[in-house]
Amino acid sequence: DAGVIQSPRHEVTEMGQEVTLRCKPISGHDYLFWYRQTMMRGLELLIYFNNNVPIDDSGMPEDRFSAKMPNASFSTLKIQPSEPRDSAVYFCASTPSQGFGSPLHFGNGTRLTVT
Amino acid sequence: KNEVEQSPQNLTAQEGEFITINCSYSVGISALHWLQQHPGGGIVSLFMLSSGKKKHGRLIATINIQEKHSSLHITASHPRDSAVYICAVRLRVTGYALNFGKGTSLLVTP
Repeated sequence: DAGVIQSPRHEVTEMGQEVTLRCKPISGHDYLFWYRQTMMRGLELLIYFNNNVPIDDSGMPEDRFSAKMPNASFSTLKIQPSEPRDSAVYFCASTPSQGFGSPLHFGNGTRLTVT
Repeated sequence: KNEVEQSPQNLTAQEGEFITINCSYSVGISALHWLQQHPGGGIVSLFMLSSGKKKHGRLIATINIQEKHSSLHITASHPRDSAVYICAVRLRVTGYALNFGKGTSLLVTP
């Protein structure tokens, strides 16, 4: 099992540009989560999906952020337009649907720098 | 106010010492996770508990639901244990979403 795969590992972009982060969850996992980590705020949930359907997007900062999960093996997090305050590490994680007793599997993260 | 508080924020220990990291939370939870984040940035799930105690190698995690408190213990610490340890809770009201503590940065010196 390859684990949760995120791409790219690093992204440097200029303010105002569109950024797309990608995630492939572990096969068979029904839940997919997008988290953001900053020094100031630590880890924060942005949005999560169950069976490709967005369940809770209350953590999405504003309309500049959008996330999709077109199928069970792929999700994207898009920021348009990007701003310097979006600089952070973005993690994707997945877990199987086994009630509340399932561990979380994280990808290696995408380090985003917006200049 | 963060519902999850960890202490200490930073911890330095000598190799071989017994280490305890604490996590307190203020609301009802369905599960508590302990995560480890190495300097390279990857995050690994160490434990998921809803009651009692779990042990894996030199790591032990306990939770007291009534006191809303969990501890992560490391016995015979080693420099390779140096990492950030993060407590996260799954709130009953939010389903699968996790609320995270700010983490405890552990440095174990030889």
